Amino acid sequence: EVQLVESGGGLVQPGRSLRLSCAASGFTFDDYAMHWVRQAPGKGLEWVSGITWNSGAIHYADSVEGRFTISRDNARNSLYLQMSSLRAEDMALYYCVKDENSILTGYYDSWGQGTLVTVSS
Amino acid sequence: EIVLTQSPATLSLSPGERATLSCRASQSVSSFLGWYQQKPGQAPRLLISDASNRATGIPARFSGSGSGTDFTLTISGLEPEDCAVYYCQQRSNWPFTFGPGTKVEIK
Repeated sequence: EVQLVESGGGLVQPGRSLRLSCAASGFTFDDYAMHWVRQAPGKGLEWVSGITWNSGAIHYADSVEGRFTISRDNARNSLYLQMSSLRAEDMALYYCVKDENSILTGYYDSWGQGTLVTVSS
Repeated sequence: EIVLTQSPATLSLSPGERATLSCRASQSVSSFLGWYQQKPGQAPRLLISDASNRATGIPARFSGSGSGTDFTLTISGLEPEDCAVYYCQQRSNWPFTFGPGTKVEIK
């Protein structure tokens, strides 16, 4: 069974940094691309960033480009999101999401339960 | 950026009825459109990929159709557990975008 467990969320002041982690199990991690998708409280879904199986291709939403960095460690079956210069509008539940393929096909067939990031002074 | 518009915003139907959800793209996405279901308090779940392909384990009452800019998700024979928000999502152009969602309520 695929399991994606996010961690690292919490309360952070505007302008500060936070690093999210996702521990993956139940599948061959380095066979699949991975993504982060977020959902602000009571709002819809927003794709944030995606990374191919070998980190050869990475994409970001315009809203986070230059502030967030996605990475993965296939030896540790882990996905990361380094977030800096956080803003109030970054406050959301962040989901770790598995792609259907090793490349960034854009269909997300498994989701974690999310980790909540709260940005407030 | 491709903008997806979903209608209606809310759909209220009785069990057994057919639900028809619409998703319209601001430009053609060919058939590169998916549908997700999000139940209250849960993570989303992939229902449909590439406009009409049911994901693994998805009941046959869920079906998708369309191409270009107009797409439809049909739920034939609503069941109480289908109460959820349904999102469409395009993967034709970066950034991949979601629609605002349609909330399906069961009377």
